Amino acid sequence: SAVISQKPSRDICQRGTSLTIQCQVDSQVTMMFWYRQQPGQSLTLIATANQGSEATYESGFVIDKFPISRPNLTFSTLTVSNMSPEDSSIYLCSVDDRGRNEQFFGPGTRLTVL
Amino acid sequence: GDSVTQMEGPVTLSEEAFLTINCTYTATGYPSLFWYVQYPGEGLQLLLKATKADDKGSNKGFEATYRKETTSFHLEKGSVQVSDSAVYFCALPASGAGSYQLTFGKGTKLSVIP
Repeated sequence: SAVISQKPSRDICQRGTSLTIQCQVDSQVTMMFWYRQQPGQSLTLIATANQGSEATYESGFVIDKFPISRPNLTFSTLTVSNMSPEDSSIYLCSVDDRGRNEQFFGPGTRLTVL
Repeated sequence: GDSVTQMEGPVTLSEEAFLTINCTYTATGYPSLFWYVQYPGEGLQLLLKATKADDKGSNKGFEATYRKETTSFHLEKGSVQVSDSAVYFCALPASGAGSYQLTFGKGTKLSVIP
């Protein structure tokens, strides 16, 4: 199974600033996903990131607010831009292991915006 | 589109009690079904899965059977422990060609008291 790490594990940020979250996988994967989990809620997919192409965003999420990079097959970043308190959430990355028909998740980044 | 309806929580049980968390789904065809668990302060972990009708997934004493007749995938455990306190999510792959992201239920928070 894939082992996924995220940095930072948590952060407290000021309104109007930006935070970049890193996701590192211990093996090469084609597809990586970024989810948001608002307090007490389920997970909502933000975007799908394939190496070598632009990320595909879900309805309600835009590139200007959540720019994503995918420079290689083991790494991705998600930036939360111009933050407001409504962006306070846990952000999780995941990868799809097609061979095992499973998705593996990172430990998440717990973001609090003041 | 495909969706998952999960029993509302929170659920509070005494140690050694029997647990059932209901999950029903709406999907085209017969997708794989998953239960994920999120322990306090952590990311999601795959708990168990079933890939076809009548399959039973099991792990750590938890079981769930893929019932196509009732479109259900209820999670059960015969004797819960305090360490099972967590949020449980039912999930299935989103529909659509080339779509590998997951659609999650709203989550059920379980608290087990000694």
